[in-house]
Amino acid sequence: QSALTQPRSVSGSPGQSVTMSCTGTSSNVGGYNFVSWYQQHPGKVPKLIIYDVSKRPSGVPDRFSGSKSGSTASLTISGVQAEDEADYYCCSYAGTYTWVFGVGTKLTVL
Amino acid sequence: QVQLQQWGAGLLKPSETLSLTCAVHGGSFSTYYWIWIRQTPGTGLEWIGEINHYGSTNYNPSLKSRVTISVDTSKDQVSLNVTSVTAADTALYYCARVPGNYIDYWGPGTLVTVSS
Repeated sequence: QSALTQPRSVSGSPGQSVTMSCTGTSSNVGGYNFVSWYQQHPGKVPKLIIYDVSKRPSGVPDRFSGSKSGSTASLTISGVQAEDEADYYCCSYAGTYTWVFGVGTKLTVL
Repeated sequence: QVQLQQWGAGLLKPSETLSLTCAVHGGSFSTYYWIWIRQTPGTGLEWIGEINHYGSTNYNPSLKSRVTISVDTSKDQVSLNVTSVTAADTALYYCARVPGNYIDYWGPGTLVTVSS
């Protein structure tokens, strides 16, 4: 069960849009619409920001959005803010009641 | 308000057994799956396995031979055992709640270090 592939880092200036990818296979990301995204600030517990590919939990700003094409899911932050600087992890159902995470992407707000 | 409380030994020697417990406060324990995840600086987050209140479990295939997750419904607690630990098992271990196909509540994490 290999980890999902995410870019190690992305960056953007305040107000810009930033998109990060999460690439798997047809056995996980491509096969199910059960991709979730988690934001983790240093020393903090991960926080759910997107589930079921594109759904946003109550309380998460609408500048966060998710999508999927084939075996690649994406998280977009439209109008990135300084407080969005964090690590972001994707997670996908991988069949037979198993789950797999991505390696994580560090977002730097310039 | 849901709170997850974790505890267990934080320092182990190689070949020992890792044992952690997670107590759930608030919410309906029987409605959800409860999972264990670990995090290391190099590899990020890794799903270890899950259990429901019936005791039905699913495990990460790469860890399955060494991992046991159990439940005590009388105390709303879930436990994790990992046998024959090595330095590669050094990580921050989280318990968490799964209401569907995502994680909504996380425990605070327990740092486990394996060192001789």
